[in-house]
Amino acid sequence: GENVEQHPSTLSVQEGDSAVIKCTYSDSASNYFPWYKQELGKGPQLIIDIRSNVGEKKDQRIAVTLNKTAKHFSLHITETQPEDSAVYFCAASQGNTPLVFGKGTRLSVIA
Amino acid sequence: GAVVSQHPSRVICKSGTSVKIECRSLDFQATTMFWYRQFPKQSLMLMATSNEGSKATYEQGVEKDKFLINHASLTLSTLTVTSAHPEDSSFYICSARESSYQPQHFGDGTRLSIL
Repeated sequence: GENVEQHPSTLSVQEGDSAVIKCTYSDSASNYFPWYKQELGKGPQLIIDIRSNVGEKKDQRIAVTLNKTAKHFSLHITETQPEDSAVYFCAASQGNTPLVFGKGTRLSVIA
Repeated sequence: GAVVSQHPSRVICKSGTSVKIECRSLDFQATTMFWYRQFPKQSLMLMATSNEGSKATYEQGVEKDKFLINHASLTLSTLTVTSAHPEDSSFYICSARESSYQPQHFGDGTRLSIL
């Protein structure tokens, strides 16, 4: 089955700097890669997703890149703000299968 | 759009009690709903997948007689933790998907504490 590795487990950045979180997956049949943000005591919130027919997708300060050959994808957050502090999860699926999640990255943005 | 509502948000009850958690998709019809369990500072662990009108598919190691799942309509799924014990204390989160190849949207979870 699919296995998703996520790094780093914790990340601290200064406000205004960029943050990058990386994930690798094992199943070449996976073709859907969402990113979720989870705040304390809340459920995960979908922030951006990418499908395998696209190499990059951007939404304001958030971007995701996908390298299918290397089986890895990354989340990029620019101009970080304190409210970006949360736990971020990457996931992978074949679209019609349940998501397999990475172990999460705790991002702290220091004002 | 794509709002998933989960109730209750928190439950504290005595050992041996059965607890029901509801998950509703408010503005879309969910052909598939998922139930996850999350331990502190850990990732989400899939417990089961349910399709409307069908029996749930449980992941390996999840007791189907312990965690009863019902998905009777396209907007409602319930998880009942039967005869709950302290080791069942956890954060339970539901997720809903309109159809295959569509994003999964999550509820805000239920914090279950068994005394």
